[in-house]
Amino acid sequence: AQKITQTQPGMFVQEKEAVTLDCTYDTSDQSYGLFWYKQPSSGEMIFLIYQGSYDEQNATEGRYSLNFQKARKSANLVISASQLGDSAMYFCAMREKAPWANNLFFGTGTRLTVIP
Amino acid sequence: DSGVTQTPKHLITATGQRVTLRCSPRSGDLSVYWYQQSLDQGLQFLIQYYNGEERAKGNILERFSAQQFPDLHSELNLSSLELGDSALYFCASSGGGAYQETQYFGPGTRLLVL
Repeated sequence: AQKITQTQPGMFVQEKEAVTLDCTYDTSDQSYGLFWYKQPSSGEMIFLIYQGSYDEQNATEGRYSLNFQKARKSANLVISASQLGDSAMYFCAMREKAPWANNLFFGTGTRLTVIP
Repeated sequence: DSGVTQTPKHLITATGQRVTLRCSPRSGDLSVYWYQQSLDQGLQFLIQYYNGEERAKGNILERFSAQQFPDLHSELNLSSLELGDSALYFCASSGGGAYQETQYFGPGTRLLVL
């Protein structure tokens, strides 16, 4: 089974509007971290936001917030007040505590296009 | 700027050749991770080093190897290159390697095998 599923290959949003990018995950580990990264067309991977499995509050970082629903195993990224510079690929990733799973597992990504 | 540096940025080579990709982690970070991003496989973990020791292995081919040096920089060696090895190779680093730590990525090395 896929550890991270991003079901939206592409999304469009009007400038200044909010957008939600979906992410569901699969793990039997109780301790894990969820991450979102942004990859602009230039190629670099930019860290956006982190949510720990024991965090009771949803993470926020400026215009980014993470809608964490543990029982549903979802960790959706919400971008408020979209800007043209937000156009990029967005990847959801998970890392489990288990010592044999020391790496990030990435989803297939969502390409966000912000329309002026 | 994540603080992770990778060289070279671009590399063009021929099948059968060998190349070395270099990574310097963020100051103070002991863990280095290598990832491969290709169109068909997505982002895949290759290998992790912690303070000079190999910590974890992912989908790394036997033709690929890596090491982390005493100054904590790391090198990824790719040999007997095939067309399918063309990809964007990322290095990432984190402090101690704990699962909660953010991995900060370098700008990547774009490898094209002709």
